[in-house]
Amino acid sequence: KQEVTQIPAALSVPEGENLVLNCSFTDSAIYNLQWFRQDPGKGLTSLLLIQSSQREQTSGRLNASLDKSSGRSTLYIAASQPGDSATYLCAVRNSGGGADGLTFGKGTHLIIQP
Amino acid sequence: ETGVTQTPRHLVMGMTNKKSLKCEQHLGHNAMYWYKQSAKKPLELMFVYNFKEQTENNSVPSRFSPECPNSSHLFLHLHTLQPEDSALYLCASSQRQIRVNEQFFGPGTRLTVL
Repeated sequence: KQEVTQIPAALSVPEGENLVLNCSFTDSAIYNLQWFRQDPGKGLTSLLLIQSSQREQTSGRLNASLDKSSGRSTLYIAASQPGDSATYLCAVRNSGGGADGLTFGKGTHLIIQP
Repeated sequence: ETGVTQTPRHLVMGMTNKKSLKCEQHLGHNAMYWYKQSAKKPLELMFVYNFKEQTENNSVPSRFSPECPNSSHLFLHLHTLQPEDSALYLCASSQRQIRVNEQFFGPGTRLTVL
């Protein structure tokens, strides 16, 4: 059974710092990995999707990498801003059995101090 | 309306009540999903529908009954729920392709069972 772990569970840094969020998964047989952002009491906003054949994806100040063989992904946030404060979720789509659902980690709760 | 919408946004019900959650997607997608987000637990997949057919039931109790009348609408019918079913219920949709299948989420319904 796929398990997704996110480290750290919580992170508080001053504005302007670059930071890295980590995600690991136990079964490397995945189609893709998706990073989401969730604001308090809200739904999920998709940030980046990396297909299993890709190594990284970039969107603005965000860069996500994928090392499928080692079961790891990182989300790099450059020049952090208070508006980046949210919970960041990592999710993988498994490739076995035609399953389409995502397996999520518990998330990293990020606070950017002004 | 754009994206994925969910109604109601908040719902309080007793254990003997019957209620329904509604999800609608305006993205032209062909797959829809129900997820449950409980406090201190990862998001859990409940059901998957592809082209109106249920393809996954993640061992969900029968007091949760999904319905997908067409590829744009998804319902979750609730009856005789328990207090531990209180959670944020999230709907998602995607265009089902083997490699991409990026999922887009609605804002969720916050359910409280008394």
